[in-house]
Amino acid sequence: QKEVEQNSGPLSVPEGAIASLNCTYSDRGSQSFFWYRQYSGKSPELIMFIYSNGDKEDGRFTAQLNKASQYVSLLIRDSQPSDSATYLCAVWVMRGNKLVFGAGTILRVKS
Amino acid sequence: DTEVTQTPKHLVMGMTNKKSLKCEQHMGHRAMYWYKQKAKKPPELMFVYSYEKLSINESVPSRFSPECPNSSLLNLHLHALQPEDSALYLCASSQLMAVETQYFGPGTRLLVL
Repeated sequence: QKEVEQNSGPLSVPEGAIASLNCTYSDRGSQSFFWYRQYSGKSPELIMFIYSNGDKEDGRFTAQLNKASQYVSLLIRDSQPSDSATYLCAVWVMRGNKLVFGAGTILRVKS
Repeated sequence: DTEVTQTPKHLVMGMTNKKSLKCEQHMGHRAMYWYKQKAKKPPELMFVYSYEKLSINESVPSRFSPECPNSSLLNLHLHALQPEDSALYLCASSQLMAVETQYFGPGTRLLVL
């Protein structure tokens, strides 16, 4: 079982729709969860981090964490073509004491 | 300011060359990281420095040699690389080597011929 799993996509949504990106993790002791956006040929850019169960909102982005289900998600409201990128879920894994990335989900927003 | 800088942006080297990648941050972060990223794959951790001491080496081949001269600088020395080492090399930093947010530099795209 992979430590962090994401659906590779691509996930295609129309402009203005809500994009929902999902991630599961295996280490129950994990405490910190991050979403990074990566455009082709560029480095990962932090979008959000979440530590507590529930929702955390920042502008058009909402991160959701459910530690009991070992599930973290990212919602992007009013999706724009500029949101088209690969979204990387990253989890701080206590075993190994390091940040582990999922394979990433490709998001395509069609205008 | 959450800026991490890396030089050079691009590097082409032969298998017998010696080169170095450089990373710098002025955010007062005490943990710095090297990652390797192949095309269409996520970043893979290579090394972690915490308070200028090597804390994690993810079984990286000895042809990659990290160095942390001070709390703001991180180098990656390259020697006798193989073509399969061609990748995007990313530097990141965080306040501490714990559960803190990591900020990435723009990366160095390396091509080994």
